[in-house]
Amino acid sequence: DVKVTQSSRYLVKRTGEKVFLECVQDMDHENMFWYRQDPGLGLRLIYFSYDVKMKEKGDIPEGYSVSREKKERFSLILESASTNQTSMYLCATGTGTAYNSPLHFGNGTRLTVT
Amino acid sequence: GEDVEQSLFLSVREGDSSVINCTYTDSSSTYLYWYKQEPGAGLQLLTYIFSNMDMKQDQRLTVLLNKKDKHLSLRIADTQTGDSAIYFCAESPEGDSSYKLIFGSGTRLLVRP
Repeated sequence: DVKVTQSSRYLVKRTGEKVFLECVQDMDHENMFWYRQDPGLGLRLIYFSYDVKMKEKGDIPEGYSVSREKKERFSLILESASTNQTSMYLCATGTGTAYNSPLHFGNGTRLTVT
Repeated sequence: GEDVEQSLFLSVREGDSSVINCTYTDSSSTYLYWYKQEPGAGLQLLTYIFSNMDMKQDQRLTVLLNKKDKHLSLRIADTQTGDSAIYFCAESPEGDSSYKLIFGSGTRLLVRP
């Protein structure tokens, strides 16, 4: 079974702090994704990566950056956390193109920015 | 643009059938997916349908696709309390966006005993 591990289930940070959310997968998948989930808005794509050191902006990249130095690890960085970034963050992985490969999700990190 | 819409909430009695509906806008979508999210967990793939199919059945789950109306539905037969969760519809548009999925806002299914 594919395992996608997000380093924290819950995080509480202060406004202006730099925040790192980590995601690790054990199935050698090329593609990794960061989504945020908000009530009534579903999942919105922040960034994704299709290879080491490669990244693409999703639909809502503002205020975020990412890092993929190794194939198995994809980090989401909030350069200066703000209260409107309080959300559930979900990491996902996949292989090939989305239309022939389902995504596998981690359990999520619930981030609260105070 | 790409958009996927779902109703936000559905309540059914245990043992009844549940039907969760979804509409999408990208007619080039090759696959359409249903994901399930249980409380405190990530999303889990339930089933998917290829765009040249009308129907797919998998045990208690039936997926119906009306490509002309861009309408997708998920029917759960004999709904159980363990089926209470949020269900997300997702499409995979072709072209440059083929790496990503577009998700709906999710339908929260509540199964009453």
